[in-house]
Amino acid sequence: GAGVSQSPSNKVTEKGKDVELRCDPISGHTALYWYRQRLGQGLEFLIYFQGNSAPDKSGLPSDRFSAERTGESVSTLTIQRTQQEDSAVYLCASSPRSSAVGGEQFFGPGTRLTVL
Amino acid sequence: RKEVEQDPGPFNVPEGATVAFNCTYSNSASQSFFWYRQDCRKEPKLLMSVYSSGNEDGRFTAQLNRASQYISLLIRDSKLSDSATYLCVVITTGGFKTIFGAGTRLFVKA
Repeated sequence: GAGVSQSPSNKVTEKGKDVELRCDPISGHTALYWYRQRLGQGLEFLIYFQGNSAPDKSGLPSDRFSAERTGESVSTLTIQRTQQEDSAVYLCASSPRSSAVGGEQFFGPGTRLTVL
Repeated sequence: RKEVEQDPGPFNVPEGATVAFNCTYSNSASQSFFWYRQDCRKEPKLLMSVYSSGNEDGRFTAQLNRASQYISLLIRDSKLSDSATYLCVVITTGGFKTIFGAGTRLFVKA
């Protein structure tokens, strides 16, 4: 079946502009995660959605970052007033159940964001 | 101190070698543990879950030591295709925040 998809695959933007990244999870997966991975570094947790529960936003680095998800479908990550340090690969993952009970996370191919 | 720490490597080993990676975590309330594999410029993929009783999948064995707060991954009879970055992953009780280690790079040489 179809895996997690993300769009765009690459995004180049100018400092100060807003960007919106999209994630389409695997159908039926209730849990959705966003991560950031800077070049040569590990994954940095940003936000977690589980069904209709309030999201866990504890990883968002600043108030310029926000994310939404409608039900158990598409999610968008928005970065306002982008800065050069926002340049990274943004990865989305979905899971059939919460990771707290051991659900495998299936990752999308990521969006490579470059802020000039 | 980072919540999850791994030796970044790289580990350079010949084909057929046995190699072991360790990962330490700082939060004693952590409850779920995994190893993921990430190939260069690709997304991470689950390699295996880690249990206190140990977990073996072919050439791969994962162990959890709760008392010392570390997990390990052993790869036997290394193949060229095992070359990748191995990520240690920890989930903490009471939350859903997933903590990834920075990864250990492995290069298997012919």
